[in-house]
Amino acid sequence: AQKITQTQPGMFVQEKEAVTLDCTYDTSDPSYGLFWYKQPSSGEMIFLIYQGSYDQQNATEGRYSLNFQKARKSANLVISASQLGDSAMYFCAMREGLGNTGNQFYFGTGTSLTVIP
Amino acid sequence: EAQVTQNPRYLITVTGKKLTVTCSQNMNHEYMSWYRQDPGLGLRQIYYSMNVEVTDKGDVPEGYKVSRKEKRNFPLILESPSPNQTSLYFCASSSLDYPTYEQFFGPGTRLTVL
Repeated sequence: AQKITQTQPGMFVQEKEAVTLDCTYDTSDPSYGLFWYKQPSSGEMIFLIYQGSYDQQNATEGRYSLNFQKARKSANLVISASQLGDSAMYFCAMREGLGNTGNQFYFGTGTSLTVIP
Repeated sequence: EAQVTQNPRYLITVTGKKLTVTCSQNMNHEYMSWYRQDPGLGLRQIYYSMNVEVTDKGDVPEGYKVSRKEKRNFPLILESPSPNQTSLYFCASSSLDYPTYEQFFGPGTRLTVL
């Protein structure tokens, strides 16, 4: 079974609108972390946001928020007020085990986001 | 400046010719990892290391070797490269201390095996 599933290969959003990128995960480990990364066309991997499995509140970083629904095993990324510079590939990732145990990383296949002027 | 460096950035080689891609980080991170990125497959973890002399296989370790003799360095070795190892490779590092689990990525190495 896939550890991380991103079901939207491509998404379009109008500039200044909000967009949600879907991510579901699969683990039986109670300790895990969820990440979102952005990869622009230039190729570098840019960290956006992190959510720990024990965190009570949804993570937020500026225009990025993570909609964490533990029971559904989903960790959707919400980008508010989209900008042209948000056009990129977005990857959801999970780190199984935290601290000094486990620590294998799994990435989804990515969602290509295009922001339309 | 905190960073992860990889060398070379681009490499074209032939089947069977041993090669090493170097990775170095200056953040004193315990955790280091190698990934390969292929179209439609996302990033897949090859090997990771929790500390010096401690390495573990990721999802796709076949055909690769790693070593962690110093905390800052984590080279990726392809003893006998094959065309199916043509890919974009990323090295990454992170702390193991809560809550700073963010992985810092190197710029990537694009490898072509003919």
